[in-house]
Amino acid sequence: KAGVTQTPRYLIKTRGQQVTLSCSPISGHRSVSWYQQTPGQGLQFLFEYFSETQRNKGNFPGRFSGRQFSNSRSEMNVSTLELGDSALYLCASSPKETQYFGPGTRLLVL
Amino acid sequence: DQQVKQNSPSLSVQEGRISILNCDYTNSMFDYFLWYKKYPAEGPTFLISISSIKDKNEDGRFTVFLNKSAKHLSLHIVPSQPGDSAVYFCAASALLGISGGSNYKLTFGKGTLLTVNP
Repeated sequence: KAGVTQTPRYLIKTRGQQVTLSCSPISGHRSVSWYQQTPGQGLQFLFEYFSETQRNKGNFPGRFSGRQFSNSRSEMNVSTLELGDSALYLCASSPKETQYFGPGTRLLVL
Repeated sequence: DQQVKQNSPSLSVQEGRISILNCDYTNSMFDYFLWYKKYPAEGPTFLISISSIKDKNEDGRFTVFLNKSAKHLSLHIVPSQPGDSAVYFCAASALLGISGGSNYKLTFGKGTLLTVNP
């Protein structure tokens, strides 16, 4: 099976802009989660979607949002970008308890 | 408050020897634990997991031990190989969640950089 894919792999934006990141889960996986990795905070949970519904949410401001489509593909959106949003954004899909990660999208906010 | 702690930022081991990576947790609701290996600018790769109903799980060179009373788990890699050099993350989830529903949120430790020297 193909692994989790994320697009784009790299992105440069300026403060105030918005960005949309995409994730295609492993075929058959219905749960998709998003994480942010930064040098200071490590890997932090953003949110999880299951069957097009947000099932869990982490402690991030409302500028961070997501959605899941009927084919389980997911997108996350960050509005009004701040410098501190520069990070590696990781998507993971799971059939049950174990999550399998994609390669990530490296976002740089200037 | 860090609920999952990896107190050793780095570990250096000779090729062929055992690598032991440690992880402590504070949340007694955690009932499923995982270890991931990560290279820079890549996503974490799943290695091995353990449910709280077990105290040991083995997969090839990797063994995870869980001590629930001490809220401690460890990953043993035997024998260690230079290709094992990477950052290792411990992660935990409380599968049942507070309401009893499924909860796949992972809480990660800060990671341990393992270097295996030839």
